[in-house]
Amino acid sequence: GESVGLHLPTLSVQEGDNSIINCAYSNSASDYFIWYKQESGKGPQFIIDIRSNMDKRQGQRVTVLLNKTVKHLSLQIAATQPGDSAVYFCAENLGSGTYKYIFGTGTRLKVLA
Amino acid sequence: GAGVSQTPSNKVTEKGKYVELRCDPISGHTALYWYRQSLGQGPEFLIYFQGTGAADDSGLPNDRFFAVRPEGSVSTLKIQRTERGDSAVYLCASSLGTGNGYTFGSGTRLTVV
Repeated sequence: GESVGLHLPTLSVQEGDNSIINCAYSNSASDYFIWYKQESGKGPQFIIDIRSNMDKRQGQRVTVLLNKTVKHLSLQIAATQPGDSAVYFCAENLGSGTYKYIFGTGTRLKVLA
Repeated sequence: GAGVSQTPSNKVTEKGKYVELRCDPISGHTALYWYRQSLGQGPEFLIYFQGTGAADDSGLPNDRFFAVRPEGSVSTLKIQRTERGDSAVYLCASSLGTGNGYTFGSGTRLTVV
């Protein structure tokens, strides 16, 4: 399949360790954010979202943190597994009901056995 | 269908040729989106359909690009006089409404030689 993100920043973690992926977003008016996971040859897959009235949201093994003061998002993955290897993108939505998302450039996560 | 289906998965064409890329959204999803993803980049918005009409085509790079959705379901992205710079993965997504995340297809990888 196609390779996604040959020139992306890469985070390498040992299997079982926690991963933290960071993202700076661009627009202070953005009020909804999504983290997507993209495996080679596939489209982006929704992982977790957060609205701007929250600063933390937890899912299964994943946590998203939002710092609106510095326009920063992070994705934390607990007990990283080989299946977590992929490119991760944050996406911001420019306002309630807005259909358009602006994606960050992405981070490649490599899980080392 | 169960997911967003895009065909073909890969398309190689010669510079100057015309191509059509097809998207079958999730059944019942009224909103449909096209994004373009260049190597090493996040997806970039091209066009948004609500029903049969193009509600926002501001992301189309120039008038060689056109998209239709005549019956409010399947959409076709059309590119005339292709150029090497058009080479990218073209992603389609659909959603029930706006303001929340959407479901992406696996994309069509277009290579212009």
